[in-house]
Amino acid sequence: NAGVTQTPKFRVLKTGQSMTLLCAQDMNHEYMYWYRQDPGMGLRLIHYSVGEGTTAKGEVPDGYNVSRLKKQNFLLGLESAAPSQTSVYFCASTPTAFREQFFGPGTRLTVL
Amino acid sequence: GENVEQHPSTLSVQEGDSAVIKCTYSDSASNYFPWYKQELGKRPQLIIDIRSNVGEKKDQRIAVTLNKTAKHFSLHITETQPEDSAVYFCAASKGTGNQFYFGTGTSLTVIP
Repeated sequence: NAGVTQTPKFRVLKTGQSMTLLCAQDMNHEYMYWYRQDPGMGLRLIHYSVGEGTTAKGEVPDGYNVSRLKKQNFLLGLESAAPSQTSVYFCASTPTAFREQFFGPGTRLTVL
Repeated sequence: GENVEQHPSTLSVQEGDSAVIKCTYSDSASNYFPWYKQELGKRPQLIIDIRSNVGEKKDQRIAVTLNKTAKHFSLHITETQPEDSAVYFCAASKGTGNQFYFGTGTSLTVIP
């Protein structure tokens, strides 16, 4: 099993450009999450999904959109990138409530 | 929403000494409290977790205690080793939607 994978690993964007980050998991997990990690701020939840076809907002959803068309994939979109979105993005999944979250390797995004 | 505070932000200990990291949470409905370890450049990984019906849990050199009345929980690492050096995050979840709220992290350095 590959676990949780993220594509791409690194990306540099110019302000105003758009991009999509892909998260894939092969563990048949129901719940999937997107976090951003900034120095001194821990992990902050952007959006999450409790099952195929569902999405919900987390703590910091502005400027991001998500889709979960297939159970194994969770996409994070930036419509018009801003320098404030420079961060490391982690995807995670968990099978049910009250269970360990499995994290992907992260995507380092820089917006110039 | 939930607010998780974590202290200290940095901690240095001599090899062999104990390390304690403390977290408080605001939502009394939270009932699952995991701890994650993140080494430099790596993804967070679960090291121990506790549910609200348990006051303490141990796994070799690592233990977690929970005080639901005071709404705080702590990570205890005994006989610290250099490989324990990492950033540690606490988190809280109440199951509904399975959202996790993370603390801001503690950078632990174990000095040989």
